[in-house]
Amino acid sequence: NAGVMQNPRHLVRRRGQEARLRCSPMKGHSHVYWYRQLPEEGLKFMVYLQKENIIDESGMPKERFSAEFPKEGPSILRIQQVVRGDSAAYFCASSPPEGPTSGNTIYFGEGSWLTVV
Amino acid sequence: AQSVSQHNHHVILSEAASLELGCNYSYGGTVNLFWYVQYPGQHLQLLLKYFSGDPLVKGIKGFEAEFIKSKFSFNLRKPSVQWSDTAEYFCAVRIYGNNRLAFGKGNQVVVIP
Repeated sequence: NAGVMQNPRHLVRRRGQEARLRCSPMKGHSHVYWYRQLPEEGLKFMVYLQKENIIDESGMPKERFSAEFPKEGPSILRIQQVVRGDSAAYFCASSPPEGPTSGNTIYFGEGSWLTVV
Repeated sequence: AQSVSQHNHHVILSEAASLELGCNYSYGGTVNLFWYVQYPGQHLQLLLKYFSGDPLVKGIKGFEAEFIKSKFSFNLRKPSVQWSDTAEYFCAVRIYGNNRLAFGKGNQVVVIP
């Protein structure tokens, strides 16, 4: 399922800079999810989006983090003024228009590894 | 809050040995259950999933899992592992009708040739 494309795969940022992670869902998928994986931890849900709408952002930190999924183009996870604690792998996933509750599988991308120095 | 527990974070075994990874969750309602595998440097791939029906689920690469509702468990098994099964394995749970997956911390499995 290499169809979920994430870039960049690796990103290094200095403290205080901005990080932008992009995700193109699989063809035909209109639901996008972002998860974060910290070292020695499982994946933690961050946000769930459909085209032009944020459906569930209950896992997003209240400050510095934002996500969008515009009508055209990839979904973007934006982290402003990064700190060392933001260093993690960020995974994007997508599912078909019927959504996950219809029994559809969520497919993951290869992840973007953010390192804050 | 719903939680997913995976024990024995690091597992080392020899080829041809049997593998069983435990997964327990804390939610009492209807759930969908998943096992994902992450090979080194790759994305998460779905091994198998349970939505309803036969609680013994067959997945890819010879893996299977059994849903035991009374024990809130969804353990993963493979009778005879290969070196290529070296990977990290994640159990995930979705509350029925919800959109998000809750993941366990994963099991790092190393198979020695």
